[in-house]
Amino acid sequence: EAQVTQNPRYLITVTGKKLTVTCSQNMNHEYMSWYRQDPGLGLRQIYYSMNVEVTDKGDVPEGYKVSRKEKRNFPLILESPSPNQTSLYFCASSLSGSNEKLFFGSGTQLSVL
Amino acid sequence: GENVEQHPSTLSVQEGDSAVIKCTYSDSASNYFPWYKQELGKGPQLIIDIRSNVGEKKDQRIAVTLNKTAKHFSLHITETQPEDSAVYFCAAKVYSSASKIIFGSGTRLSIRP
Repeated sequence: EAQVTQNPRYLITVTGKKLTVTCSQNMNHEYMSWYRQDPGLGLRQIYYSMNVEVTDKGDVPEGYKVSRKEKRNFPLILESPSPNQTSLYFCASSLSGSNEKLFFGSGTQLSVL
Repeated sequence: GENVEQHPSTLSVQEGDSAVIKCTYSDSASNYFPWYKQELGKGPQLIIDIRSNVGEKKDQRIAVTLNKTAKHFSLHITETQPEDSAVYFCAAKVYSSASKIIFGSGTRLSIRP
């Protein structure tokens, strides 16, 4: 089944404890991206990757890191999480580098205490 | 900066009636406008998209209209059913330093039995 898989689905952590949210797609997509969803703000892009080893900042990149060492994986890293990073996170991918027709994962609900 | 405004934030309609969600965008160069549906506990899913060279597109009970002059576009759902209950996001592709998709803030649609 074609899908974008995120793990974990739920995560509760404390301020300053490094964490990684994994994202993997099995559709051979070129483009991958991370979004955060907050009430009343819609989906805001954190980072994106047009291809392997190519990443760039989105609209809200502060406090996040990403890497794209393989085509299928695009982990999101929070080196020192803070409470304002409590949010619902989505990974997405698309076939070309045009960021159209995005396929989203099921989301990761992160709470930073 | 570029933005997409979406209205209303919540919408309740009687089953069988029509629902309309409206969005406006700021970047006159935008030429791609997708709509995503997010069911409870799931990631957004693309339901329809339209490009600026057409004014209307239909897919069964769903239609999207685009007015480039006024820079607004709308989602129309006819003969609403309980499974249409979800959060709907409009989006627009904007062109600044690099092309990106900007999402509206979302509309929570509830279908009353």
